[in-house]
Amino acid sequence: DARVTQTPRHKVTEMGQEVTMRCQPILGHNTVFWYRQTMMQGLELLAYFRNRAPLDDSGMPKDRFSAEMPDATLATLKIQPSEPRDSAVYFCASGRIGQNTEAFFGQGTRLTVV
Amino acid sequence: AQKVTQAQTEISVVEKEDVTLDCVYETRDTTYYLFWYKQPPSGELVFLIRRNSFDEQNEISGRYSWNFQKSTSSFNFTITASQVVDSAVYFCALGDAYSGAGSYQLTFGKGTKLSVIP
Repeated sequence: DARVTQTPRHKVTEMGQEVTMRCQPILGHNTVFWYRQTMMQGLELLAYFRNRAPLDDSGMPKDRFSAEMPDATLATLKIQPSEPRDSAVYFCASGRIGQNTEAFFGQGTRLTVV
Repeated sequence: AQKVTQAQTEISVVEKEDVTLDCVYETRDTTYYLFWYKQPPSGELVFLIRRNSFDEQNEISGRYSWNFQKSTSSFNFTITASQVVDSAVYFCALGDAYSGAGSYQLTFGKGTKLSVIP
């Protein structure tokens, strides 16, 4: 059963520390997304990649967030330095443009910055 | 700009009752996609349905049905004979057909929390 895998599932860190979240998209999917979910803002798109190239990261705070896709099986979202307002659930999703399907979401990484 | 409004923040129903979750969207595009996702207490996002703007046929899948009306920009979701397992947050989303990410670039509503009481 193909699924998007995110690690870690939970992360608690101190303010100022670097946080790296990882995502393994479904094999064969060429588009990867990062969404953030907070109580106040709901689900927001942070960035997305197509064929490993970043297409849009306008939803991401550029000064502290960075998203990369070093290879087709791994996408990363890094926060440096982390702040309490970054506490949220971060979802990765993948899909294949050209196929009439939905985007598949991972189970999310719940980040708490204290 | 794309916008999705789910006016119902929380709904409680007694098991076996029918319940309709409302979704109103705004877009200037003529081609777009509409989705419903379910988020159970465990936290994952579960896909329920995808509909493109040219297909206004209503759809039924078991106890679930969807009513798409372009004239009112609405895509409402009805659960018939609700069950406790239907308790979750339900999100309506609008997909951008013109982005480089196909229909996968989603604008989500704030969600409706459904509680089904036994």
